[in-house]
Amino acid sequence: DTGVSQDPRHKITKRGQNVTFRCDPISEHNRLYWYRQTLGQGPEFLTYFQNEAQLEKSRLLSDRFSAERPKGSFSTLEIQRTEQGDSAMYLCASSRRMPLGEEQFFGPGTRLTVL
Amino acid sequence: QQPVQSPQAVILREGEDAVINCSSSKALYSVHWYRQKHGEAPVFLMILLKGGEQKGHDKISASFNEKKQQSSLYLTASQLSYSGTYFCGTESASGSEKLVFGKGTKLTVNP
Repeated sequence: DTGVSQDPRHKITKRGQNVTFRCDPISEHNRLYWYRQTLGQGPEFLTYFQNEAQLEKSRLLSDRFSAERPKGSFSTLEIQRTEQGDSAMYLCASSRRMPLGEEQFFGPGTRLTVL
Repeated sequence: QQPVQSPQAVILREGEDAVINCSSSKALYSVHWYRQKHGEAPVFLMILLKGGEQKGHDKISASFNEKKQQSSLYLTASQLSYSGTYFCGTESASGSEKLVFGKGTKLTVNP
């Protein structure tokens, strides 16, 4: 399968713990996005990378959230000192910017439950 | 600024048509449409760039009115497989390349 993959698919943690999620994009895609989605809402932008450079980060994102894409391939999203409000589906998407726009391919997501 | 989608939900019988609207208060560069089925990731349908073009494939098409910052998704002769939640994602004309998604329109197609 050459689509976007995410690991783990599900994560249950206790409040205050740190969690890290991984995203492997489609290999030829140079852009990688992280979103958060809660029930009944659309995906909410968190941050995105072009190659290894983090180009934009949501102002809504607290300092507890950090993302990396060290070699321009896979990316990790870390949440420190998790809170119950962090419970959500975390989606990763990858794309390649083209002159006529870009199609983002989404991964299956990591569902985080904070107890 | 999050785009506003309408209606929030629509129920159809197979073969009926539907229109889903997406409206933004900001000048837009592009509008993207996605469909998400329950428990699955969003799937790309189409992208419309500013210029008022209309796109479509099969029985799903969309338009983008740049002056009104509105886009509409048209589903004709709906099939059971069209059921899901439809999201529009908008890209601002101001320089940020991120997508801002609406809250979605839940479409249910019944036999």
